[in-house]
Amino acid sequence: DIQMTQTTSSLSASLGDRVTISCSASQGISNYLNWYQQKPDGTVKLLIYYTSSLHSGVPSRFSGSGSGTDYSLTISNLEPEDIATYYCQQYSKLPWTFGGGTKLEIK
Amino acid sequence: EVQLQQSGPELVKPGASVKISCKASGYSFTGYFMNWVKQSHGKSLEWIGRINPYNGDTFYNQKFKGKATLTVDKSSSTAHMELLSLTSEDSAVYYCGPDSSGYVAYWGQGTLVTVSA
Repeated sequence: DIQMTQTTSSLSASLGDRVTISCSASQGISNYLNWYQQKPDGTVKLLIYYTSSLHSGVPSRFSGSGSGTDYSLTISNLEPEDIATYYCQQYSKLPWTFGGGTKLEIK
Repeated sequence: EVQLQQSGPELVKPGASVKISCKASGYSFTGYFMNWVKQSHGKSLEWIGRINPYNGDTFYNQKFKGKATLTVDKSSSTAHMELLSLTSEDSAVYYCGPDSSGYVAYWGQGTLVTVSA
């Protein structure tokens, strides 16, 4: 199975900050990488698919980039509703696998 | 509007089985794979497997073979997952969501399964 690693398990930032969350794969995944947001109440939402495509309705302050084995999610101008845990997920090969998550908190 | 309504929380005894459901609406139920994902308390997400509602074909994560059984009822646009021979390791929140080309665009609210004597 492909292992997905989010080395930062928690991150503290101030409102208005630009935040970058990283994710690496144990092998190349050809940009087949998604990002999800999970709110404290458990609600899960898709943010980004195929590395950099913004899902419908997701604010443009969210963006994704990367290639090969290394990917990142950037939130520009952090807002209070962005407090959540963020997960990356690869779909290059079954079984799909997720990163361990990065919990974003307000400083 | 796509909606995925999952069944309510379950408290089950060790060794028992439980079947949870996910009722879909707002899209073509047979047009997308239905996926199931496990989240143990405080842990990350694990993909259990998926089912093709059109023909019932399934694909399981090897880790969950023999643990989870996925089925659908096309007449009611409902997906089911049965978890067998439950242990404390199966206590978790389970999510469903349709797969569109490798990503789950919409997620159910989750079903909490607690395994306890």
